[in-house]
Order: sequence, then structure tokens, then C-alpha cells
Amino acid sequence: QSALTQPPSASGSPGQSVTISCTGTSSDVGGYNYVSWYQQHPGKAPKVMVYEVSKRSSGVPDRFSGSKSGNTASLTVSGLQAEDEADYYCFSFAGSNNWVFGGGTKLTVL
Amino acid sequence: QLVESGGGLVQPGGSLRLSCAASGFTFSTSWMSWVRQAPGKGLEWVANIKQDGSEKYYVDSVKGRFTISRDNAKNSLYLQMNSLRAEDTAVYYCANIVWGAFHIWGQGTMVTVPS
Repeated sequence: QSALTQPPSASGSPGQSVTISCTGTSSDVGGYNYVSWYQQHPGKAPKVMVYEVSKRSSGVPDRFSGSKSGNTASLTVSGLQAEDEADYYCFSFAGSNNWVFGGGTKLTVL
Repeated sequence: QLVESGGGLVQPGGSLRLSCAASGFTFSTSWMSWVRQAPGKGLEWVANIKQDGSEKYYVDSVKGRFTISRDNAKNSLYLQMNSLRAEDTAVYYCANIVWGAFHIWGQGTMVTVPS
């Protein structure tokens, strides 16, 4: 049950786009479409942004989009806004009733 | 919503039982989970339980020490934690699972096991 690999940090200026990657294996990200993304502000509970690879959760702005290619899933945030600054985590089914998170990416809006 | 309780300070080797009270959604038809986050660290999935409690799954690091359970009549989820270790120190969140994702989260309860 190894954690999925995410870059520790990402950044962009307001209005720009940024993409956060989440790399796993064919046993998790590559093997199933149960990939979700979570936003967590300091001291708060996580919030689901995208589930089943690319479906936006209710109320999530369409600036947030998810995709997957092979063993790597991605979360793209377009038109960056100050309130997007947070930690982001990917999460995937890993088979055999196991589930695994990515290590997390701190997104900074410059 | 989900509201956790039962966290606190416990000595290594001790036990603690966390509770999670659900409201505002149909608890009895939802898979439920516990997720934890060590101080300054990332999220870690801990355990899942099926709607009727007939299936339970755990991360390897807690197998044999933690037990997830539920009482649908009370709309409540539980996590019995035994043989606690310093590395179990974390905020513990309960969450429901829909389409393989955690859609509703509690505010978390802190468990501290000193080293």
C-alpha cells in the first residue's frame, strides 16, 4: 500500500492554470477509475473536488478539472484565485479492498 | 453532517474508542470510512465498512489492532483502537464513501499517543 506520488509543491499567479499530477501504478490509478481529488485548507477537513477521475463534486467551480492517462491522474486548476491556495490530495482504489492517498501537494497562488 | 468524538491523550499500549454521529443523509445505505492525518502530514485511509457491517477493510498498519463498526439504528460509526502506538497520533476523520470518494467529512477528533 505505497502512497501515490504527487509533487510536494506547485504554484501559479492569479488567472493562470496549474496542473497537479498523481502517479501510481497499474494496480491503482491505472487500473481503476476510482480516482478522486481533495482540497484541504489549514485546520479544516478535506473537501472532495473531483471523483471518478473527472466528475466535479456539487458546487465545485468548473475551473477544477480532472483527467487520467495511464498510471497518472491530474488535477488542473484554471483561472487561479487566491482561495485556491491549499493542500491537494489524490486518492485511488488500489484493488483487494485497499485504498491509497497521494502524499499531497501544497498549491501556492503567487 | 458527521461529528466525531472520543479523541484524547492515551498512553502507548492503551485503548480508545472513537464515535461518529451522522445526520442529514441516509447513513444506513452508505459505506463509511475512517481517515487519519498525523500532525503536519498527509491523509491516510484507515478503514472501511459496508452498509450492513458485513465487510470491513483496514490499512495494513492497523490490522489486528483497530476495529471499525457501526450501529445503523443510532446512525453511528465507531473505531475501537487497541495497542495504540506513538505513530497512531493523528486527527481522525470519519467520512462517507460514494462512487469511491469521500463526499461528507466530519471535523475530526485528535488522538495523541506520546512516545
